[in-house]
Amino acid sequence: KAGVTQTPRYLIKTRGQQVTLSCSPISGHRSVSWYQQTPGQGLQFLFEYFSETQRNKGNFPGRFSGRQFSNSRSEMNVSTLELGDSALYLCASSLVGQGLNEQFFGPGTRLTVL
Amino acid sequence: KNEVEQSPQNLTAQEGEFITINCSYSVGISALHWLQQHPGGGIVSLFMLSSGKKKHGRLIATINIQEKHSSLHITASHPRDSAVYICAVHNTDKLIFGTGTRLQVFP
Repeated sequence: KAGVTQTPRYLIKTRGQQVTLSCSPISGHRSVSWYQQTPGQGLQFLFEYFSETQRNKGNFPGRFSGRQFSNSRSEMNVSTLELGDSALYLCASSLVGQGLNEQFFGPGTRLTVL
Repeated sequence: KNEVEQSPQNLTAQEGEFITINCSYSVGISALHWLQQHPGGGIVSLFMLSSGKKKHGRLIATINIQEKHSSLHITASHPRDSAVYICAVHNTDKLIFGTGTRLQVFP
């Protein structure tokens, strides 16, 4: 069974630009969660999607958004990039929901904002 | 104060040593996860538990719900166990993460 894949793996953008990251979950998994990891704040929950609906959202500004498609693939978008958005963005998939099932993490997308 | 605290922050050990990493939390939880993150960023889920104890190979995880505390033990540690170990708790439909424990095991 293929694991969770994320594209792209690395990305360099400049302040003010926007970026879209993609996550393909394990086949059959309906929940996709997104996390941001920075050296200063550690891992923080961004949002969770389940069956194309955002089920929960962390404490991030509205510049961070996401969506999920009918095949469970998910994208997250960050608009008007700031230097502080430089981070490793991880997605994880699970059968029915984060926390209540084992989470399977993707390799992450490392975003650098210049 | 963080809702999830881990100790120690850094840990070095000689190969073969018994290792304990602790996690304390201050919120109500429905489950607790132990995760392992290797250099390069990849995260692997080690355990998910809501009570008692689980064992997988040389790894053992325990949780005491009343005391809001969990421990991760590694028996007969090996250099390949070198990684960051992260505790995360499931609270109100989201995961809250500890800051991680960086473990280095030397041969």
